[in-house]
Amino acid sequence: GAVVSQHPSRVICKSGTSVKIECRSLDFQATTMFWYRQFPKKSLMLMATSNEGSKATYEQGVEKDKFLINHASLTLSTLTVTSAHPEDSSFYICSAIALGTSGGVSYEQYFGPGTRLTVT
Amino acid sequence: GNSVTQMEGPVTLSEEAFLTINCTYTATGYPSLFWYVQYPGEGLQLLLKATKADDKGSNKGFEATYRKETTSFHLEKGSVQVSDSAVYFCALIGSGGYNKLIFGAGTRLAVHP
Repeated sequence: GAVVSQHPSRVICKSGTSVKIECRSLDFQATTMFWYRQFPKKSLMLMATSNEGSKATYEQGVEKDKFLINHASLTLSTLTVTSAHPEDSSFYICSAIALGTSGGVSYEQYFGPGTRLTVT
Repeated sequence: GNSVTQMEGPVTLSEEAFLTINCTYTATGYPSLFWYVQYPGEGLQLLLKATKADDKGSNKGFEATYRKETTSFHLEKGSVQVSDSAVYFCALIGSGGYNKLIFGAGTRLAVHP
């Protein structure tokens, strides 16, 4: 149980175009989903936190108009990279917390396998 | 701010060797500490966790003890297997961190027969 999928797993797009990445919780409902970015040989950096039905909360330094996040249902969040540039090339990872868990600091986040974005 | 530092890899070991991956943290208050593992082609999975000082997290033969005096959470396993080959991430959630994980850079472990 507790599987999170991402689609696509790899995408190549041209500079100036937009690309959408989907994150789905397959067997549970997710109140909160997180989007991370991972650079080669670097740690995962949290980009934003999205809660179903409300606006995402972005981390400092992350452009919300460039990285559009929509958490339209309890099983789906999307990240759209708008007007992509080569410096947006990276590995994007999402995670989800299951519905019903109360506030606290020791939750388990269930991670997707990641999406490799290459902007040419 | 809060941060996590873990030893650089790759770590290469023979099967049945002893494993230590060092992790130290900087945080105010009392963070919760985690080790995640990422097997090739898969998403990160929680390996173990500890939520207060002196707690020992353990799973699948791996252990880590929350040492507040040394701000460390080193990962250990007495006898590694080829199937343990993966990338290991140390992470924390700060006090009042609202589930925001802060990760170390990850350490790649390669175990050879």
